[in-house]
Amino acid sequence: KAGVTQTPRYLIKTRGQQVTLSCSPISGHRSVSWYQQTPGQGLQFLFEYFSETQRNKGNFPGRFSGRQFSNSRSEMNVSTLELGDSALYLCASSATGSTEAFFGQGTRLTVV
Amino acid sequence: KQEVTQIPAALSVPEGENLVLNCSFTDSAIYNLQWFRQDPGKGLTSLLLIQSSQREQTSGRLNASLDKSSGRSTLYIAASQPGDSATYLCAVKEKNDNAGNMLTFGGGTRLMVKP
Repeated sequence: KAGVTQTPRYLIKTRGQQVTLSCSPISGHRSVSWYQQTPGQGLQFLFEYFSETQRNKGNFPGRFSGRQFSNSRSEMNVSTLELGDSALYLCASSATGSTEAFFGQGTRLTVV
Repeated sequence: KQEVTQIPAALSVPEGENLVLNCSFTDSAIYNLQWFRQDPGKGLTSLLLIQSSQREQTSGRLNASLDKSSGRSTLYIAASQPGDSATYLCAVKEKNDNAGNMLTFGGGTRLMVKP
């Protein structure tokens, strides 16, 4: 069974640009959550999608948005990139009724 | 607001030692607690999941305990090996319908096992 797949693995963007990250959950998992990891703030929750609906949102500005498709794949978008958005972005998937979270390898975003 | 703390932040031990990593959380209304391992620049690997009704879980050389009333969990690693070197993170899932599957993470313990 394939694990959680995140693409791309690495990205370099310029300030002011926008970026889209992708996450394919484990087959059959309908919940996808996104996290930002930085050395200073650690792992912080961005948002969760379940059955194409945003179920919960963390304390991040509106520049961070996401969506989920009918096949449960999810995308995260960051607009008007800032230097402080440089981070490892991780997504996690969970099965319905299961509370164990499985994480992908992450996307390393560098904003220059 | 749930806060999760891990002590120590870093730990260096010689190979073969048994060691304990600590995790504490402020709100005992949790569904479960999960321990993860993270290698540098990589994603998180789930090690153990303890449901709120359980006291401990074991997997190979790893044993995790949970004392929900005191807001504490420990991860015990027996006979440590250099391959155990990584950052270990604990995370709690709150008992709150509005939280969905959101996890609140501790800052992690960076472990180095020296040959």
